[in-house]
Amino acid sequence: KQEVTQIPAALSVPEGENLVLNCSFTDSAIYNLQWFRQDPGKGLTSLLLIQSSQREQTSGRLNASLDKSSGRSTLYIAASQPGDSATYLCAVRDNYGQNFVFGPGTRLSVLP
Amino acid sequence: DTAVSQTPKYLVTQMGNDKSIKCEQNLGHDTMYWYKQDSKKFLKIMFSYNNKELIINETVPNRFSPKSPDKAHLNLHINSLELGDSAVYFCASSTGTEISYEQYFGPGTRLTVT
Repeated sequence: KQEVTQIPAALSVPEGENLVLNCSFTDSAIYNLQWFRQDPGKGLTSLLLIQSSQREQTSGRLNASLDKSSGRSTLYIAASQPGDSATYLCAVRDNYGQNFVFGPGTRLSVLP
Repeated sequence: DTAVSQTPKYLVTQMGNDKSIKCEQNLGHDTMYWYKQDSKKFLKIMFSYNNKELIINETVPNRFSPKSPDKAHLNLHINSLELGDSAVYFCASSTGTEISYEQYFGPGTRLTVT
């Protein structure tokens, strides 16, 4: 059964710092991996989607990498801003493309 | 121009009642989902529908019944509500093809059962 973990559970950094969020999954037979952000009281916003054949995806200040064999993904945020404060979730989809498993999230606070 | 919408946003009700949550997507996607986010913030898939057909039904009490009148709608009906049903419920949609399966989420419905 696929399990997804995220480290750290919470992170607080001063504005301007570069930071890395980690996601690990137990079964490497995944179809893709998706990073989301969740703002308090709001829904999920998709940030990046990495297919199993890809190594990384970039969008603006965000860069996500995927190492399927080791069951890991990282989300790199460059030059963090207070507006980046949110909970970041990773989710993996299995090879059948149907089961979607979320991690518990990393709560990020960027201090001005 | 909302992509995935849910109503209501908040729902407070008493144990034993029956309630429904509605979801609509205007993205033209084939597949829609319901997720439950518990107090520990874990998101767990409940149901998945593709072209109005049920394709995933995780271990969910049969008090929960999804209904898909058409491709753009997937409603969640809950009978005999229990305290443990209190959670945030998210609807999502995706293209449902082999291409990306990227999911788009609604804003969530916070259900409180008293």
